[in-house]
Amino acid sequence: EDQVTQSPEALRLQEGESSSLNCSYTVSGLRGLFWYRQDPGKGPEFLFTLYSAGEEKEKERLKATLTKKESFLHITAPKPEDSATYLCAVQAVANSNSGYALNFGKGTSLLVTP
Amino acid sequence: NAGVTQTPKFRILKIGQSMTLQCTQDMNHNYMYWYRQDPGMGLKLIYYSVGAGITDKGEVPNGYNVSRSTTEDFPLRLELAAPSQTSVYFCASTEVPNTEAFFGQGTRLTVV
Repeated sequence: EDQVTQSPEALRLQEGESSSLNCSYTVSGLRGLFWYRQDPGKGPEFLFTLYSAGEEKEKERLKATLTKKESFLHITAPKPEDSATYLCAVQAVANSNSGYALNFGKGTSLLVTP
Repeated sequence: NAGVTQTPKFRILKIGQSMTLQCTQDMNHNYMYWYRQDPGMGLKLIYYSVGAGITDKGEVPNGYNVSRSTTEDFPLRLELAAPSQTSVYFCASTEVPNTEAFFGQGTRLTVV
């Protein structure tokens, strides 16, 4: 059974204090790993897709990396506006019988204080 | 450019009542999905559609029904509301598999 586990559940950082969020996964054939940001009361907003081990993508203060077992979302010098819940999701070959729907982790709630 | 639009944003239902959650997208996406999000849990797939006239069950379909008569619309129907259906519901769409999904703003449903 496909599993996606995110850690930590919650993270509190001072502004400028860099850190990383982890997403470990067990799937039978990874088609893609996705990172989303979710603000309170809003729908998830797409950040990155990673397709193969060794791939990296960057956007402003965020950098996502992928290995065969896990992905990291690195946050460099975060600002208060980076506060949100970050969701990791995988799409597996086995998901082809569900329209290639995403299998989500529970998320990491990030709070960045001034 | 509206993207994915869900209505209503909030709703309180009594046990046994019925309602339809509306979802429409203006991006001409074939793939559409309904997820529910419960506190402390990941999003769970309820139903999905790969095109007009084609729908199928996801991980947690009991108590729900869907239809897809057009590419744009994918309504979710609750026939006999139960407290276990208290949740936040998200509709999403993708152009093709394995690409970014666009989500609506969600419908917060409370069944009392």
